[in-house]
Amino acid sequence: AQSVTQLGSHVSVSEGALVLLRCNYSSSVPPYLFWYVQYPNQGLQLLLKYTSAATLVKGINGFEAEFKKSETSFHLTKPSAHMSDAAEYFCAVSLSSGGSYIPTFGRGTSLIVHP
Amino acid sequence: SQTIHQWPATLVQPVGSPLSLECTVEGTSNPNLYWYRQAAGRGLQLLFYSVGIGQISSEVPQNLSASRPQDRQFILSSKKLLLSDSGFYLCAWSPGTSGRPEQYFGPGTRLTVT
Repeated sequence: AQSVTQLGSHVSVSEGALVLLRCNYSSSVPPYLFWYVQYPNQGLQLLLKYTSAATLVKGINGFEAEFKKSETSFHLTKPSAHMSDAAEYFCAVSLSSGGSYIPTFGRGTSLIVHP
Repeated sequence: SQTIHQWPATLVQPVGSPLSLECTVEGTSNPNLYWYRQAAGRGLQLLFYSVGIGQISSEVPQNLSASRPQDRQFILSSKKLLLSDSGFYLCAWSPGTSGRPEQYFGPGTRLTVT
């Protein structure tokens, strides 16, 4: 079984401030982990993924995430927030099931960026 | 490159009417295909997934059904819509045999049942 918990349904930051979105997972085996971003009325876009290679994963738009097995965490960070980063962010965990991957998504965190 | 299309983009339907949403993928073969529903202010609920033509797995028993008549076509249907079927419907695909686990999403269909 696998599950994902995103701490905080809303995170508010000022433009230029550090962005930190938290994600903790539960999995019986080492999982694949993802962050997706969703802008209003659009589909989800893959930001980055962890697939058991480097624990620090760099993604698009200046985001990165670090896989910490001991903490079962995969938090998303960005050094300096831009207004254009305002969106919904989803963490997901995925395990193989008969050769296919069925992900479990967190409930999402809405990032609000103030000028 | 691969692209995924969904239509219609928006739909307003009365309760009790039928539904058909279509999703197609271009630029790849043998993809895994998924239908999700996203209710207002909530996360994603996986409705159906398919690993091949005619192979459909249902995650949540409900008023909806799915079909995959062609390799890169995935259809979500209902015979009689309920108010609770309103939401944002997302189709996604993932590489079927490459071992890559990430998903790629379509632009979505906003369904309002009145």
